[in-house]
Amino acid sequence: EAQVTQNPRYLITVTGKKLTVTCSQNMNHEYMSWYRQDPGLGLRQIYYSMNVEVTDKGDVPEGYKVSRKEKRNFPLILESPSPNQTSLYFCASSFGATNEKLFFGSGTQLSVL
Amino acid sequence: SQQGEEDPQALSIQEGENATMNCSYKTSINNLQWYRQNSGRGLVHLILIRSNEREKHSGRLRVTLDTSKKSSSLLITASRAADTASYFCATDNAGGTSYGKLTFGQGTILTVHP
Repeated sequence: EAQVTQNPRYLITVTGKKLTVTCSQNMNHEYMSWYRQDPGLGLRQIYYSMNVEVTDKGDVPEGYKVSRKEKRNFPLILESPSPNQTSLYFCASSFGATNEKLFFGSGTQLSVL
Repeated sequence: SQQGEEDPQALSIQEGENATMNCSYKTSINNLQWYRQNSGRGLVHLILIRSNEREKHSGRLRVTLDTSKKSSSLLITASRAADTASYFCATDNAGGTSYGKLTFGQGTILTVHP
């Protein structure tokens, strides 16, 4: 089944403790992207990747890192999480960046205490 | 700044009625997409309309695009309780240098009462 898989689904952590949210897609998509969703603010793009080893900043990249060493994986790294990074995070992928439909993961609800 | 903005923020209708949601954006686009989200779940793609298209249909969904007004509308006909969800528009930026940027609006919360 074609899908974007995010893990974990829920994560509670403390300020400053490094964490990684994994994202994997099995559709051979070149484009992958991370979003955070906050009440009243909609979805905001954090980082995106056009292909392996090609990443770029979205609208809210501060405090986040990404890597794209393999086509199927696009992990989101929070080196030193802070409470303002408490949010619902989504990974998405597509064949052709913004001119093709995105497939979304189920989301990761992160709470930073 | 927000590229796409939906209107209304919330819409409450009865089953069988039509629901119309609007999206306005600021800069030129190559395409505009509509997505649906059930509470807390991942978004699901509904329709993509390109800048050279004016109208597109998919089942009970009808999307229009007016590039001169920088606006789009999503019409759901004969709504069902199962259509209850949040609906988002998403736009790229034709004039921008960041090809991979896709900006979502804040969404319209649609509630369909049985």
